[in-house]
Amino acid sequence: GQQVQQSPASLVLQEGENAELQCNFSTSLNSMQWFYQRPGGSLVSLFYNPSGTKHSGRLTSTTVIKERRSSLHISSSQTTDSGTYLCALERNAGAKLTFGGGTRLTVRP
Amino acid sequence: EAAVTQSPRNKVAVTGGKVTLSCNQTNNHNNMYWYRQDTGHGLRLIHYSYGAGSTEKGDIPDGYKASRPSQENFSLILELATPSQTSVYFCASGTGVNSDYTFGSGTRLLVI
Repeated sequence: GQQVQQSPASLVLQEGENAELQCNFSTSLNSMQWFYQRPGGSLVSLFYNPSGTKHSGRLTSTTVIKERRSSLHISSSQTTDSGTYLCALERNAGAKLTFGGGTRLTVRP
Repeated sequence: EAAVTQSPRNKVAVTGGKVTLSCNQTNNHNNMYWYRQDTGHGLRLIHYSYGAGSTEKGDIPDGYKASRPSQENFSLILELATPSQTSVYFCASGTGVNSDYTFGSGTRLLVI
């Protein structure tokens, strides 16, 4: 079965609303990484988060290993936040990443 | 500025033909990766490398070969392209420490 499951698959917001993206995993992990992908573009790393909570501007990542989940919170969304958000599980330090299916976010003005 | 550059950006190939996707990195990273991205699947790992001369199979290696002739270059080879290999392909480099990854801009491949 799929080791990393993301939800929701898609999400539409009005500008200013908050978003909570979820990633659940079925295996042990060394860390969870979150990426942002521009429409039709490359991936940019947002967070490398082995456990606990990390903040970067309007973004917050929380990884709870015991509950096998990681979340990405976007506050006060902007139209420029539109794109696809991907979580990726790193099973062992320095190992390859296993990606979730992604959440496609659309923020409307 | 350190970067990962993929070529070509777009490619149309015929079924049964040979396709080579190229990737060059200036990050001096030991690790390099080839992924494909299809709707609903996120990114799936095809092949990866720990350094010049090494290639390892990823999660979906069938129908693909890889070559790492130098630290900077990592190629993905489709010897006999099939329509099921139509996808967007991403190359990435990494240190293997704290998952320090840099991705290329992708190659859009259409096999007809």
